Amino acid sequence: DAGVIQSPRHEVTEMGQEVTLRCKPISGHNSLFWYRQTMMRGLELLIYFNNNVPIDDSGMPEDRFSAKMPNASFSTLKIQPSEPRDSAVYFCASSPDRGPNYEQYFGPGTRLTVT
Amino acid sequence: AQSVTQLGSHVSVSEGALVLLRCNYSSSVPPYLFWYVQYPNQGLQLLLKYTSAATLVKGINGFEAEFKKSETSFHLTKPSAHMSDAAEYFCAVSGPAGKSTFGDGTTLTVKP
Repeated sequence: DAGVIQSPRHEVTEMGQEVTLRCKPISGHNSLFWYRQTMMRGLELLIYFNNNVPIDDSGMPEDRFSAKMPNASFSTLKIQPSEPRDSAVYFCASSPDRGPNYEQYFGPGTRLTVT
Repeated sequence: AQSVTQLGSHVSVSEGALVLLRCNYSSSVPPYLFWYVQYPNQGLQLLLKYTSAATLVKGINGFEAEFKKSETSFHLTKPSAHMSDAAEYFCAVSGPAGKSTFGDGTTLTVKP
């Protein structure tokens, strides 16, 4: 079984550029999460979708960040314009459903460096 | 509101020694608790989860955790550490909507 797929695995970009991170959740999973991990702030939940609908986006840092889930098998996280403080590892995770008893399956992450 | 506190950001043990990673939780409803492990340059993966069926939960790689409601704890243990256990470990509590709150993580170092 393929796990959660993220692309690209590494992204280096210059400040001010647009960055798009992509995620394919596990087939059949109804919930999708985007996280950001840094040494300083640890693992932060950015946004959470259920059945392709955003449920909680309270963790999205600011208007420069946006996320979409046009269908059950694809999601994007976009940063425009990017800033050096956005450098982090971004994880996508999926879960079979919305309930509290379901674990999350994490992708390998995208390491973003903004210079 | 739910939260978890992992006591000790770094734990170091010798190979073959007992591993004990501490997690305390706060939850206004019966909690669902998880331990995840993260190896370098990888995503988190589930070690074990507590969903009220049994207070002692066994997971992968010889790890287990015991849910103690009176102490609001869910500590992770392994009787004998192996070099391959070196990683970062995260405790998490899940809310009714399926959103998880993660602890700050504990980095386990295993000395030969």
